[in-house]
Amino acid sequence: AQSVTQPDIHITVSEGASLELRCNYSYGATPYLFWYVQSPGQGLQLLLKYFSGDTLVQGIKGFEAEFKRSQSSFNLRKPSVHWSDAAEYFCAVKNDMRFGAGTRLTVKP
Amino acid sequence: GAVVSQHPSWVICKSGTSVKIECRSLDFQATTMFWYRQFPKQSLMLMATSNEGSKATYEQGVEKDKFLINHASLTLSTLTVTSAHPEDSSFYICSADRGDTEAFFGQGTRLTVV
Repeated sequence: AQSVTQPDIHITVSEGASLELRCNYSYGATPYLFWYVQSPGQGLQLLLKYFSGDTLVQGIKGFEAEFKRSQSSFNLRKPSVHWSDAAEYFCAVKNDMRFGAGTRLTVKP
Repeated sequence: GAVVSQHPSWVICKSGTSVKIECRSLDFQATTMFWYRQFPKQSLMLMATSNEGSKATYEQGVEKDKFLINHASLTLSTLTVTSAHPEDSSFYICSADRGDTEAFFGQGTRLTVV
């Protein structure tokens, strides 16, 4: 079955530390992949997307993600987390616009 | 460009009444629109996919008679929650796809049924 998996429900990192949020997909072909961020009570903001080409994509707010076909993964990374990055992060696929379960990021001072 | 407007942003209604939520693509034509429901601290659950001029395709477990979706034009889709009850209280989000790259999201509608 087609699915998007975010294995980490909640991650806590210290401000200034690096971050990696995991996303795995299970689709027949390489889907279009997205990462979104959502602050409490707010809508979604697109961080970055992958369609084809360079497997390392740069997004807004200093985020990047790497597509790895062999691992069916599209993990989100940031080298140095800021307190304002605390939010819910969702991975999604374009084929049918389904979302992963989300990862809640807490940033410790 | 690529703005999706969702209205209203929040609504309170009495149990048993119906509520209509609009999703408009302001500067592009949307071949497909998606409707999601999001409970607190949970992910977006796809409710249905609609294409202009045709019936919506509902996800398993979503009551089509309860959540009426109309995609009458390439820029407007509506979700009507019929005979709303407190358990229908949720955050509803739409997105519009113009058929090329990403889908664009509305800001969501907070529905509270009292």
